[in-house]
Amino acid sequence: EAQVTQNPRYLITVTGKKLTVTCSQNMNHEYMSWYRQDPGLGLRQIYYSMNVEVTDKGDVPEGYKVSRKEKRNFPLILESPSPNQTSLYFCASSTRVVNEKLFFGSGTQLSVL
Amino acid sequence: GQQLNQSPQSMFIQEGEDVSMNCTSSSIFNTWLWYKQDPGEGPVLLIALYKAGELTSNGRLTAQFGITRKDSFLNISASIPSDVGIYFCAGRIGGATNKLIFGTGTLLAVQP
Repeated sequence: EAQVTQNPRYLITVTGKKLTVTCSQNMNHEYMSWYRQDPGLGLRQIYYSMNVEVTDKGDVPEGYKVSRKEKRNFPLILESPSPNQTSLYFCASSTRVVNEKLFFGSGTQLSVL
Repeated sequence: GQQLNQSPQSMFIQEGEDVSMNCTSSSIFNTWLWYKQDPGEGPVLLIALYKAGELTSNGRLTAQFGITRKDSFLNISASIPSDVGIYFCAGRIGGATNKLIFGTGTLLAVQP
């Protein structure tokens, strides 16, 4: 089954403790992206990647890192999480750079205490 | 950066009612998309619009790409309980990236 898989679904952590949210897609998509969803703000792009070893900042990249060493994986790294990074995070992928048909994962609810 | 104003923020309706929501922007978009997010899941694409004035249907859903290219609306006819969720509009300006600007979302609750 074609899908974007994020792990974990839920995560509670404390300020400053490094964490990684994994994202994997099995559709051989070139493009992958991370979003955060906050009440009243919709979905905001954090980072995106057009292909292996090619990443770029989105609208709200501060406090986040990403890597794209393999085509299928696009982990989101929070080196020193802070409470304002408490949010619902979504990974998404698509076949081509200009293809609008983004496939989203099921989300990761992160709480930073 | 660009922002999409989506309204209403939330709607609470009875089963069988029609629903209308819209998105407006100060920027021109060359693509408008409508996504639905079921509770506990990621957004799923409902309808894509590519031309100003285009009207597209997907079952009980109908969406239109505004003539000014700065707005779009989504109608749902004869709502049913499974229509519950958050609806997002998204616009793409174009260029080499796949960047979408998302609206703030409309929460729809349908009472049986």
